[in-house]
Amino acid sequence: DAGVTQSPTHLIKTRGQQVTLRCSPKSGHDTVSWYQQALGQGPQFIFQYYEEEERQRGNFPDRFSGHQFPNYSSELNVNALLLGDSALYLCASSLSQGMREKLFFGSGTQLSVL
Amino acid sequence: LAKTTQPISMDSYEGQEVNITCSHNNIATNDYITWYQQFPSQGPRFIIQGYKTKVTNEVSSLFIPADRKSSTLSLPRVSLSDTAVYYCLVGADDYKLSFGAGTTVTVRA
Repeated sequence: DAGVTQSPTHLIKTRGQQVTLRCSPKSGHDTVSWYQQALGQGPQFIFQYYEEEERQRGNFPDRFSGHQFPNYSSELNVNALLLGDSALYLCASSLSQGMREKLFFGSGTQLSVL
Repeated sequence: LAKTTQPISMDSYEGQEVNITCSHNNIATNDYITWYQQFPSQGPRFIIQGYKTKVTNEVSSLFIPADRKSSTLSLPRVSLSDTAVYYCLVGADDYKLSFGAGTTVTVRA
């Protein structure tokens, strides 16, 4: 049973560019959440997708957007990249939206903005 | 989401028991307490979850006092492979989970 898979594993971009990160949830999971983890800090919630709609959003600007496909996979898009966007981007899937559901994380995409 | 406070770091030796206490004074009635473990260059991994009293699984125990204003994650007989960051989260159906800085546990031989 494949867990959560993310691609690419590493990415280098320059300021002002746009990036798309991809996530395939664990089999049977319908909810996908995205997190940003800066070096030395805990993961910060970006947003969550369920039934192809953004259901909840953290304190991130509109430059961060996403999408969920009918097969429950998801993309995270970041426009107009800033140096401060350099971080590990984590995708997590769960059976539903509630806090009580276990989150299953992928290994993340390490984004470096130069 | 209830705010949580954990120690920044803890040191231990192989074979010892490690107890990490998380304070959450403004926990709400329907909030659950969940702990995650994270190794470098990996996503966090679920360890244990509880609502009240004590919960035990194959790798840990979670102690929650009656007032639920704190909780303690207990790792019995730690090994070098338990060196990781441990996060305490408190919340219910509002799923805007953001992790704090966590507790870095270092196990030495």
